Amino acid sequence: GNSVTQMEGPVTLSEEAFLTINCTYTATGYPSLFWYVQYPGEGLQLLLKATKADDKGSNKGFEATYRKETTSFHLEKGSVQVSDSAVYFCALISSDTGRRALTFGSGTRLQVQP
Amino acid sequence: EAGVAQSPRYKIIEKRQSVAFWCNPISGHATLYWYQQILGQGPKLLIQFQNNGVVDDSQLPKDRFSAERLKGVDSTLKIQPAKLEDSAVYLCASSLDHTARYGYTFGSGTRLTVV
Repeated sequence: GNSVTQMEGPVTLSEEAFLTINCTYTATGYPSLFWYVQYPGEGLQLLLKATKADDKGSNKGFEATYRKETTSFHLEKGSVQVSDSAVYFCALISSDTGRRALTFGSGTRLQVQP
Repeated sequence: EAGVAQSPRYKIIEKRQSVAFWCNPISGHATLYWYQQILGQGPKLLIQFQNNGVVDDSQLPKDRFSAERLKGVDSTLKIQPAKLEDSAVYLCASSLDHTARYGYTFGSGTRLTVV
C-alpha cells in the first residue's frame, strides 16, 4: 500500500537558519506529492505540491522537489522565521483513478526560536 | 468562497456514549472525506464519498462508526458506542472532484475527548 515516512521531530532552529524536513514515500505508479502545514490551533493548510517527477513546488519561501529516483520530497526553506513554527505533514495521492485520497506522514513539529 | 464548516468544535463524552459530527463542504465540491487525527499522528482516512456514494470506507471501524452523505452535500459521522481510543480530532475535507488535482480544503475539525 501507500505510505509516507517523515523525519521525527521536534526540529528546533534559530531564526534565519536553514530548514530541511525529510520525506520519503512508497507508492505504486506516479503519485502526486504534497506538504501541508498545521499552525497551532488551526486546521490543515496546503503549503505546496508537485504532480510529476522533477517538479518543484514552492510557496512562502518553502520548496520541495519531486525525486522519483530516491522516492523523496524533502521540504526546504533558506531562512526560517518564528512564524513558521508549526507541524508539517508530507502526503501523497495515489495515481489510482478510483481511490484518490491523501495518505499522510506522521508530521514533523518545527519550533523556531528568536 | 466559504470554507469547509464543521461542528461542534469540541465534544467531551463518556465511553459507551454516542456522538455525531457534522460537515458542510465547499459548495460544488463533489468529493468529501472524513479523517481521524490522533494526537501526535498524521490524519488517517476513515471514509471518502463521491457525491452521495461511498468510494472508500476500508479503514472505517464499521462496528461502531457510520457516516452518510444525504443528497450529496452535508455529511454526518457517528460513533456508537465510543471508546477511549476514539479520542482524536475528526477532520472533514472536500475537493472539486475525485482526482483532487486542485487539492483538498480541510475544515477546522472537531476535537473529541472520550473519558
